[in-house]
Amino acid sequence: DTEVTQTPKHLVMGMTNKKSLKCEQHMGHRAMYWYKQKAKKPPELMFVYSYEKLSINESVPSRFSPECPNSSLLNLHLHALQPEDSALYLCASSLTTGPYEQYFGPGTRLTVT
Amino acid sequence: EDQVTQSPEALRLQEGESSSLNCSYTVSGLRGLFWYRQDPGKGPEFLFTLYSAGEEKEKERLKATLTKKESFLHITAPKPEDSATYLCAVQAGNTDKLIFGTGTRLQVFP
Repeated sequence: DTEVTQTPKHLVMGMTNKKSLKCEQHMGHRAMYWYKQKAKKPPELMFVYSYEKLSINESVPSRFSPECPNSSLLNLHLHALQPEDSALYLCASSLTTGPYEQYFGPGTRLTVT
Repeated sequence: EDQVTQSPEALRLQEGESSSLNCSYTVSGLRGLFWYRQDPGKGPEFLFTLYSAGEEKEKERLKATLTKKESFLHITAPKPEDSATYLCAVQAGNTDKLIFGTGTRLQVFP
């Protein structure tokens, strides 16, 4: 099974709200990723966790806060977002940080109003 | 600077009309090249991993090949359900990042 699940599928939030995105995998993968994707663009890396430790932060604004509670779960906490943060947020996992294929979840479509 | 370029940007094919998508890369120390398929509003679906020049992988109507400068995704006798954006990504050097190309949007008409 190569499934990565993400919840919620859709999220609409105001600029003053606090919300969280959740990602889960049960493949025994030890690397997990958050990407942001705008329409007709490739995925853009935000964060990488390796063995539950943050290994890459691509200079993402602090209004995005990642968390990896255990090897199967990855959260992205959102606070005081801007309308330009509206996008498809993708979670992915791989056996380790590479070079192994990454398996992507279905994404969360986020709209900031 | 590491770079991945995909061509063409968009491709329209008649059902059964075979063609190839190109992914050219300029990187220091290729560690792996990956092909993905992405349907609108969904996450990328993994297709193939290629590690070294001369390697080939096949799956149904798709075949991926790799040289020292580029990779091709050959689509044989495509069907309308093959319509999607095909993304190429490279991992290189000592970074754990994937460098994505901008994708090829494929449309197959009956």
